[in-house]
Amino acid sequence: GQQLNQSPQSMFIQEGEDVSMNCTSSSIFNTWLWYKQDPGEGPVLLIALYKAGELTSNGRLTAQFGITRKDSFLNISASIPSDVGIYFCAGPQRNYGGATNKLIFGTGTLLAVQP
Amino acid sequence: DGGITQSPKYLFRKEGQNVTLSCEQNLNHDAMYWYRQDPGQGLRLIYYSQIVNDFQKGDIAEGYSVSREKKESFPLTVTSAQKNPTAFYLCASMRTGYNQPQHFGDGTRLSIL
Repeated sequence: GQQLNQSPQSMFIQEGEDVSMNCTSSSIFNTWLWYKQDPGEGPVLLIALYKAGELTSNGRLTAQFGITRKDSFLNISASIPSDVGIYFCAGPQRNYGGATNKLIFGTGTLLAVQP
Repeated sequence: DGGITQSPKYLFRKEGQNVTLSCEQNLNHDAMYWYRQDPGQGLRLIYYSQIVNDFQKGDIAEGYSVSREKKESFPLTVTSAQKNPTAFYLCASMRTGYNQPQHFGDGTRLSIL
């Protein structure tokens, strides 16, 4: 079945550093979603990508839809302590009829930022 | 403000007891979802509903039940048949259509007494 592999599993960085994480799959996705989950809260949508090669920014966050449609990248520039959390990628699950209304989630990247 | 409200934030269950987690949304979304999250794990789909009075099992439906009598509400019951119910439960909703994102509530943490 479809799977999303996220890496790295965890990152421990100093405040001010840039961060890069990625999500890969053996299957093609038509949409990539990036969420952030703060401790004890629900995931919040950060960026949605809908087109191969698309590069989209949201403040210090930049995400890219890989040209092969099998991967996506999320970069955070000049990290701050409130960037701490778990970052998930997600994409629509596909069946023989095409994209469904169910999402597949990556296993998450845990980010810790040292002030 | 539009959003998804889950209650309670914390819930304790005794052995052999059924408990119900509430999820309400005022986003006018057709589809609603329940996920379970264990420590250090990703999200696993329990049940989902794409329209009122209809719902489907997800990947880990055993020991859980749902209803969808109103568009705004999708309560989840954790039954006594669920032997390991301690987890963080997340409700989400989505506008149906091509490649729409899901939006999440703030979760309910269920623990066993």
